[in-house]
Amino acid sequence: EVQLVESGGGLVQPGGSLKLSCAASGFSGSSMHWVRQSSGKGLEWVGRIRGKTNNYATAYAPSVTGRFTISRDDSKTTAYLQMNSLKNEDTAVYYCALDPRDCYSVCSFDIWGQGTMVSVSS
Amino acid sequence: QSALTQPPSASGSPGQSVTIYCTGTSRDVGAYNSVSWYQQHPGKAPKLMIYDVTRRPSGVPDRFSGSKSGNTASLTVSGLQAEDEADYFCISYSLNNPEGAFGGGTKLTVL
Repeated sequence: EVQLVESGGGLVQPGGSLKLSCAASGFSGSSMHWVRQSSGKGLEWVGRIRGKTNNYATAYAPSVTGRFTISRDDSKTTAYLQMNSLKNEDTAVYYCALDPRDCYSVCSFDIWGQGTMVSVSS
Repeated sequence: QSALTQPPSASGSPGQSVTIYCTGTSRDVGAYNSVSWYQQHPGKAPKLMIYDVTRRPSGVPDRFSGSKSGNTASLTVSGLQAEDEADYFCISYSLNNPEGAFGGGTKLTVL
């Protein structure tokens, strides 16, 4: 069974950077999404990276475009979320979520990471 | 504002059935049989409960079922149990939209 383990969260000042990692026990052929959740709020899609078959295509939410970058290293079965120019409103728990069918949009998030907290504050 | 509309809350007594609705448009819920439902307990990651409108992943009790009519999908929890108390979110495939369509979530209370 595939498991996702996240790391890299923490406290950062506005304008700072942080890189999250999502280590998978196996995700070849899958797309990896990042979803965040502010305290007491709903889920917000951040972005995704597709698998090799779909040329590792990325897409981002308008709120993070130009600031966040998603990448993956299939040899390490790990996905990353590089977050730059962080704002207070980026404060949230960040989840990585696996779509095993590597869909253009969202088919289903079969597996989720445990979540990692990112706090942006001065 | 979420792309898919869910009621903020729902409730039922143990043993009863509760249905949670998720309303979208002809560009998402109405266009594809790719609606999924997730259960989230406080402080925990979401868990897939239903995918492709009606399918249950291995390990999910058959008390959970899904359906769809037009632009509205639904999740029914039968034989409510205390552990079913959680937040439930729906997500749909969306035309030309990599981010899909997310519901705002429904807090299910077992009375």
